[in-house]
Amino acid sequence: GAVVSQHPSWVICKSGTSVKIECRSLDFQATTMFWYRQFPKQSLMLMATSNEGSKATYEQGVEKDKFLINHASLTLSTLTVTSAHPEDSSFYICSADTGISTDTQYFGPGTRLTVL
Amino acid sequence: AQSVTQLDSHVSVSEGTPVLLRCNYSSSYSPSLFWYVQHPNKGLQLLLKYTSAATLVKGINGFEAEFKKSETSFHLTKPSAHMSDAAEYFCVVSVTNTDKLIFGTGTRLQVFP
Repeated sequence: GAVVSQHPSWVICKSGTSVKIECRSLDFQATTMFWYRQFPKQSLMLMATSNEGSKATYEQGVEKDKFLINHASLTLSTLTVTSAHPEDSSFYICSADTGISTDTQYFGPGTRLTVL
Repeated sequence: AQSVTQLDSHVSVSEGTPVLLRCNYSSSYSPSLFWYVQHPNKGLQLLLKYTSAATLVKGINGFEAEFKKSETSFHLTKPSAHMSDAAEYFCVVSVTNTDKLIFGTGTRLQVFP
């Protein structure tokens, strides 16, 4: 089946630093990738949608200058949290769309970010 | 606008007893509905999806869900719970004419021996 990986699985950083999270589709090409954020014991909230070679589309209320998304290839998307602050601590999850069935997404295992 | 409401934040059952996780949806159009499961330290896994074909949808691991338009419901059921079913379950609706998914708030299923 379609597998999506994320790296790192967890990261701790100091306030003010930037953190990059990678999302890879391992055995398929992803026309579209999605980034979600999940606070403890809460649901997933879509942050942005990215298509290979074009700018990401951010959901309302998500700061595009803070959460930089790059979709450099059909198998890799990155999320960079710039100048991270403690309130950015969260679980970040990516998903990928194979393009075959537009409403079926395959999810990565998530990245736990803790900002001290 | 589409939305889903999961009626129970937490459900506890004994192993071998039936499971019922409730979900109501709101949609102006015929929706695409999903159930995903999230185990600790693992990615979300698709259990099943409804896309206007058969109203009773069978998924993996013995789960099934029935789409009831008259009740705007899409409840998830399993005849006999297994310890390995303990996880967080999300009811999800797709936004019409987009790739976007809207997640419910989740239901944590506990299974006791």
